[in-house]
Amino acid sequence: QITLKESGPTLVKPTQTFTLTCTFSGFSLNTGGVGVGWIRQPPGKALEWLALIYWDNDKRYSPSLKSRLTITKDTSKNQVVLTMTNMDPVDTATYYCAHQYSSSSRHFDYWGQGTLVTVSS
Amino acid sequence: SYVLTQPPSVSVAPGQTARITCGGYKIGGKSVHWYQQKPGQAPVVVVHDDSDRPSGIPERFSGSNSGNTATLTISRVEAGDEADYFCQVWDSNSDHYVFGTGTKVTVL
Repeated sequence: QITLKESGPTLVKPTQTFTLTCTFSGFSLNTGGVGVGWIRQPPGKALEWLALIYWDNDKRYSPSLKSRLTITKDTSKNQVVLTMTNMDPVDTATYYCAHQYSSSSRHFDYWGQGTLVTVSS
Repeated sequence: SYVLTQPPSVSVAPGQTARITCGGYKIGGKSVHWYQQKPGQAPVVVVHDDSDRPSGIPERFSGSNSGNTATLTISRVEAGDEADYFCQVWDSNSDHYVFGTGTKVTVL
């Protein structure tokens, strides 16, 4: 059974750098084709893809946020970490991590419960 | 960057058919995935790769994709289908993932 869970601060001050951790089970990020992505959703708004890391450590970032994002993985801990710099109130959102099972079908079949991050002074 | 456009809302009576569109340039050449999101919950994929249903998703959910429009069809709509629905593609040109603007389905 695949599960993912996001953890990190729920309140961040403007200009700060924040880090979210996705801890997963039920799959290995060493398996060919597998990826873990980060998606966010501001309150009442649409989903926005942020970043994805593949089993081979290849990484992709949203073009609009690329300069502020870093995604890494620790396969020994079954974790994927997202770092975002220079936080702003518009970054207030629920942040999800999600599993992609194959490069041949690039959708997210399992999602974490999400964590609401509020950016405020 | 690639843009996916959905109608903000669709209303449908119970037992009727709801059709949710997702417009994008030559989207027919891409694989489209659809997610259902109920209030306070994470999204759940209901259709992937244009028309495939994950196990556990009712046959009432189906998808099609051609030209510049992909469509999610919900047949025999039930009250429990009331949710937000998002389409998603992987844009091979940029190697990025894109979500649609989202559609709120209301069951009258």
